[in-house]
Amino acid sequence: AQSVTQPDIHITVSEGASLELRCNYSYGATPYLFWYVQSPGQGLQLLLKYFSGDTLVQGIKGFEAEFKRSQSSFNLRKPSVHWSDAAEYFCAVGESYNQGGKLIFGQGTELSVKP
Amino acid sequence: DTAVSQTPKYLVTQMGNDKSIKCEQNLGHDTMYWYKQDSKKFLKIMFSYNNKELIINETVPNRFSPKSPDKAHLNLHINSLELGDSAVYFCASSLNYGYTFGSGTRLTVV
Repeated sequence: AQSVTQPDIHITVSEGASLELRCNYSYGATPYLFWYVQSPGQGLQLLLKYFSGDTLVQGIKGFEAEFKRSQSSFNLRKPSVHWSDAAEYFCAVGESYNQGGKLIFGQGTELSVKP
Repeated sequence: DTAVSQTPKYLVTQMGNDKSIKCEQNLGHDTMYWYKQDSKKFLKIMFSYNNKELIINETVPNRFSPKSPDKAHLNLHINSLELGDSAVYFCASSLNYGYTFGSGTRLTVV
C-alpha cells in the first residue's frame, strides 16, 4: 500500500540556520510528490510539487526539494530559516486517478524556530 | 474570489445532533474530496467525488454522508454527532494533480 513517512515529528532550528525536512514514500509507480505547509489555524498551502523532469524542484518562500528515486525520498530544504517559517509541514504523494487521485499525507513535521 | 470555500469555519454542537458542512469550488476542477485532520494533525481522506460520482469511500462511519449536487459542490452531512468527530474537516478539489484546499471547518462536539 502507498504510504508516506516523515520521520521527524518535531524539529527546532535557529533563525538563519539551514533546514532539511525528511520525507520517504512507498509507491509502486512514478510518484507525484508534494510539500504543503500549514500555519496554526490555517489551511494547507502548496510549497512545491514534483511530477517529472529535473529532480531538484524550486518552490515558494525559498524552499526547494530533491527527488531521489533510489532512496524513495523527497526531502524539503531551505538555506536560511525565518521565524515566519514556524509551522506544520506535510509531505504527500498523489495517487493515480484510476485509483481515486487522492493525496496520501505523511504524519507531518512541526517546525519551531528559535530567535 | 475564494477558490475552494467551506462553510461554516467553526461549528460547535452537542452530541447527538446532525450537522452539515458545505464546500464549493470555482476552479472548474472535476474531483472533490473531504479530508479529516485529527488532534495529532494527521490528514486522512474520507471521500472523493469525480463529476458527482463517488470514487473513494474510506472506512468512515455510516453517520457521515457526502452529497455532490454538481461538480462544483461537495457537502458533508454528519448524523448523531459523537465526541470523537471533533476535528478539522478540509474540502479540496483537483484537476490533473493540481490540488486546492479550503481553509477548513473546525468541528467541536460537546
